[in-house]
Amino acid sequence: GESVGLHLPTLSVQEGDNSIINCAYSNSASDYFIWYKQESGKGPQFIIDIRSNMDKRQGQRVTVLLNKTVKHLSLQIAATQPGDSAVYFCAENENFNKFYFGSGTKLNVKP
Amino acid sequence: EAQVTQNPRYLITVTGKKLTVTCSQNMNHEYMSWYRQDPGLGLRQIYYSMNVEVTDKGDVPEGYKVSRKEKRNFPLILESPSPNQTSLYFCASSPRKRVNLPTGELFFGEGSRLTVL
Repeated sequence: GESVGLHLPTLSVQEGDNSIINCAYSNSASDYFIWYKQESGKGPQFIIDIRSNMDKRQGQRVTVLLNKTVKHLSLQIAATQPGDSAVYFCAENENFNKFYFGSGTKLNVKP
Repeated sequence: EAQVTQNPRYLITVTGKKLTVTCSQNMNHEYMSWYRQDPGLGLRQIYYSMNVEVTDKGDVPEGYKVSRKEKRNFPLILESPSPNQTSLYFCASSPRKRVNLPTGELFFGEGSRLTVL
């Protein structure tokens, strides 16, 4: 299968700062990308998605950027809060059938 | 409450003893899938189902079986479990469409931690 990787396994940020989590993907045919958040002991939870015909999408305190030229995806979290501490996964998808997940980035928010 | 329910949540078993992990969703979703999560490997797709009686292999289907006889249920069957199937398993479902646009948004269960001795 295709690989989806992350640049940093662990990211520590100060409460109130902005966080940026990066992700590289390898399948040029992927047309849909998703970010998930997984808190300890729970299943992953959908955060935001973006289609390949877009390069930016904003949600509440989160923004996803897609750079198809370099096959790079990022998740920006504004004013990071302690409740944002979790593992974040990016996933790529083609035709909404098979999903390929990265290995995850752990976000630690320091008070 | 809209949810995906997996059972059991925790199971310790022995090599070769057949087991089934059940998955049920109450959101009338057409799409369901199973994943295993291992340290450093993230989530890997085992099987998925686009609708009743339609199932397809994911990336790591060896040693697993699934069935989709009803829309709400998608059990994962390990006919002869082996220690390399020790893992954390997640079931997920998807509506496939949100506001008339295709979506890959997955709703995950809480996970089933399986240990095979």
